[in-house]
Amino acid sequence: AQSVTQLGSHVSVSEGALVLLRCNYSSSVPPYLFWYVQYPNQGLQLLLKYTSAATLVKGINDFEAEFKKSETSFHLTKPSAHMSDAAEYFCAVSPGNQFYFGTGTSLTVIP
Amino acid sequence: NAGVTQTPKFQVLKTGQSMTLQCAQDMNHNSMYWYRQDPGMGLRLIYYSASEGTTDKGEVPNGYNVSRLNKREFSLRLESAAPSQTSVYFCASSIQGRSNQPQHFGDGTRLSIL
Repeated sequence: AQSVTQLGSHVSVSEGALVLLRCNYSSSVPPYLFWYVQYPNQGLQLLLKYTSAATLVKGINDFEAEFKKSETSFHLTKPSAHMSDAAEYFCAVSPGNQFYFGTGTSLTVIP
Repeated sequence: NAGVTQTPKFQVLKTGQSMTLQCAQDMNHNSMYWYRQDPGMGLRLIYYSASEGTTDKGEVPNGYNVSRLNKREFSLRLESAAPSQTSVYFCASSIQGRSNQPQHFGDGTRLSIL
């Protein structure tokens, strides 16, 4: 069975600090991986996706994620946090025609 | 561009009442999905439709039914609402039900069952 684990349901960073949100997946074969962001009272928006073309994936708003097969990880990073980055972030894996989402990480940015 | 539109945005029901949540997409996508989002549990798939005319159960289908009315519309029905179905419901669509295609989400329907 496929699954996604997001370590840390809540992460707080200072404005301007590095953002690191962790995601590990379990899969028998390298899957396709996604990061989504959800702002309050909105649906999920795609940040970036890994589809095996390159292990370092760049997304919107300076977010990026690195696929590490040996660690079965797909962690999301951003060099400098902005107040507008405060939101819920979801990692998802897609081994077939379904998506499996992690439980989400709520990011708080401290001014 | 509307993308994925869900109606209604909010609804309060009494236990035992029925209701249909509507979803429509204008992106000519083939696949559509219904999820529920509960605190600490992420999104869980209720039903999906890989293409017009087909529907399949997801992780948590009990208590729900779906109809793929046409390529644009995919509705979710609660026949006899229960308090455990209080949740935020999201509809999503993708070009095709392939693993490398991202899903596009509506803004959700917030449903409370008393």
